[in-house]
Parts: sequence; C-alpha cells; structure tokens
Amino acid sequence: DAMVIQNPRYQVTQFGKPVTLSCSQTLNHNVMYWYQQKSSQAPKLLFHYYDKDFNNEADTPDNFQSRRPNTSFCFLDIRSPGLGDAAMYLCATSRDPVQPQHFGDGTRLSIL
Amino acid sequence: AQKITQTQPGMFVQEKEAVTLDCTYDTSDPSYGLFWYKQPSSGEMIFLIYQGSYDQQNATEGRYSLNFQKARKSANLVISASQLGDSAMYFCAIRNYGGSQGNLIFGKGTKLSVKP
Repeated sequence: DAMVIQNPRYQVTQFGKPVTLSCSQTLNHNVMYWYQQKSSQAPKLLFHYYDKDFNNEADTPDNFQSRRPNTSFCFLDIRSPGLGDAAMYLCATSRDPVQPQHFGDGTRLSIL
Repeated sequence: AQKITQTQPGMFVQEKEAVTLDCTYDTSDPSYGLFWYKQPSSGEMIFLIYQGSYDQQNATEGRYSLNFQKARKSANLVISASQLGDSAMYFCAIRNYGGSQGNLIFGKGTKLSVKP
C-alpha cells in the first residue's frame, strides 16, 4: 500500500563520505520533492523535479544534488556530508505543483 | 514573501474533546493554498486537509476541519473527538500558486498531546 517509499529508513555515514538516499513512488505523480528537516524544526525544501525539469532552491548547498532517472525514482546525493547535514530527509510527490504533497516515511541520516 | 505562524509550540487536550490548532499566514499573492500535515514521532508527514484561497466553504475531512478566515489570514485546524493517536506534531503550510513551483512554506509546528 505504500505509495511513496524511502530507503533506507535510517542511514549512517562517515563525515565526508558520499551518501545517496532513494525515493520511489507508485502514484505516477509528475512532481517529486526533497525536504530536509532538522530536529524540532519545520521541513525545508531543498529542490524538486517537475517531470524532468530540476528546480533548485536558492539556499540549497552545492553539496546536495539530485537525480530523477524516471518518473518513479528520485535520488538525493550528498557529496561530502558534514555534521550539520544530520537530519531527517523527506521525499514527497504531487500530481502537479498545486496539488497536496504526499510524503514518504523519511530517511533519518546520522553523520559519524 | 510567504510566512506561516503557529503560536502554540505545545497543546494538551483531553481524549474525546475537540481542540483547535492556530495558524496565521502572510502572503501577497491572491491565489494560494493552505495545508495541514501531521507528523507522528516516527517521522512521516501525513497530509490532513487542504483549503484553497478561493474556496467558499471551509474544508472538512472526517474529524478534521479548517476554520478559514481569509480577512484575518488565519487557517486554524479543528480536531473533533480527540484520540490518543492524534498525539503528534502538526504543521500548517502555505503555497502560492503564482510563485515558485512547489515551494511549500511550513510553520514551526504545534506539538499536540492527547491525555487519556
């Protein structure tokens, strides 16, 4: 029944070691989003894809990249994670930019 | 710029009673949507209810209703007959239809605790 699936649920990586988080959807939605949520804070949009069009938020660090190889999958790559990148990363989808966004369960990233 | 303000960092409610979570917003765009999400301690964000700026009636979804007062720029969430499973963080969010695609701005959230 899961419609937006994030793997893994928990990810531990070393300081500076590249890490990839994955998101897949069975909703056939056109838009996929990545949010970062630090402890006790609201989610913050990093970037999103509208179909194949990539939209980066102005204050998203260059350390964060994304790929969307097809409609169903979207990846978040963190090239050189720092301690400040420890957070919950939430993937969301929507049919189009004005429709409600549906979130996955999130991946909680820890940096050693 | 858009902004969401949730002034209640934490709320307590007795099981089976109703509770109102406050949300005020600021936007210069005449066309926008307001959303409420629930986030349990496990972390997933669950979409609850949506209100469009041009909708004439207040949105309702089961036990959730949105008290939309456009002139006051408020969009309070009302949960009727609270259940223990309603204990969670609740986020109000806004999206302008005329602005950046997909940019959902969240408030800081309200932590609701339901007491048995």
